[in-house]
Amino acid sequence: GNSVTQMEGPVTLSEEAFLTINCTYTATGYPSLFWYVQYPGEGLQLLLKATKADDKGSNKGFEATYRKETTSFHLEKGSVQVSDSAVYFCALREAGTALIFGKGTTLSVSS
Amino acid sequence: KAGVTQTPRYLIKTRGQQVTLSCSPISGHRSVSWYQQTPGQGLQFLFEYFSETQRNKGNFPGRFSGRQFSNSRSEMNVSTLELGDSALYLCASSAGQGGNQPQHFGDGTRLSIL
Repeated sequence: GNSVTQMEGPVTLSEEAFLTINCTYTATGYPSLFWYVQYPGEGLQLLLKATKADDKGSNKGFEATYRKETTSFHLEKGSVQVSDSAVYFCALREAGTALIFGKGTTLSVSS
Repeated sequence: KAGVTQTPRYLIKTRGQQVTLSCSPISGHRSVSWYQQTPGQGLQFLFEYFSETQRNKGNFPGRFSGRQFSNSRSEMNVSTLELGDSALYLCASSAGQGGNQPQHFGDGTRLSIL
């Protein structure tokens, strides 16, 4: 079946550091890929998405590129802020099926 | 545009009781999904409703059930509560069931079982 694997956290960075959170997936078809972010005490917010190979999703300085050849969708940000501290989830969805999530990666950014 | 609204935000129950959680999707969204989030198991899919019909179901016991109304609002019911049902229950809505349709989440209902 389909699955998503994320790098284990927590990831601890200083403000303005470069961020990469790795995400790889297994899918039988052609899924769309998503990154969600969850702040303490809140639900998940859609951060960005990509619907086909080589698409790049971007939002709020975060980027991720849908790489079919490596089945990856790594999240990157050039300069993180304290306010980016949260849990990040990679997810995939095929038509007619539910979202499948990775286990989440906790990011902690210190000033 | 108002987001996904879940009520109540917090709930405390005891073992053996039953509970009903409510979800109002974004206006115009016809698909509603429910997820359970726990520290140990992460985010697990419960079920999805579209146009009042259950379209997908996760691997949960029959104690977990749901329904969707004609206005797309959805409820989830858990009967004979167990300690292990303590979790954050998240509702998400999307415009359709297409794979490229992002799901938008509410802030969840935190259910604690004593």
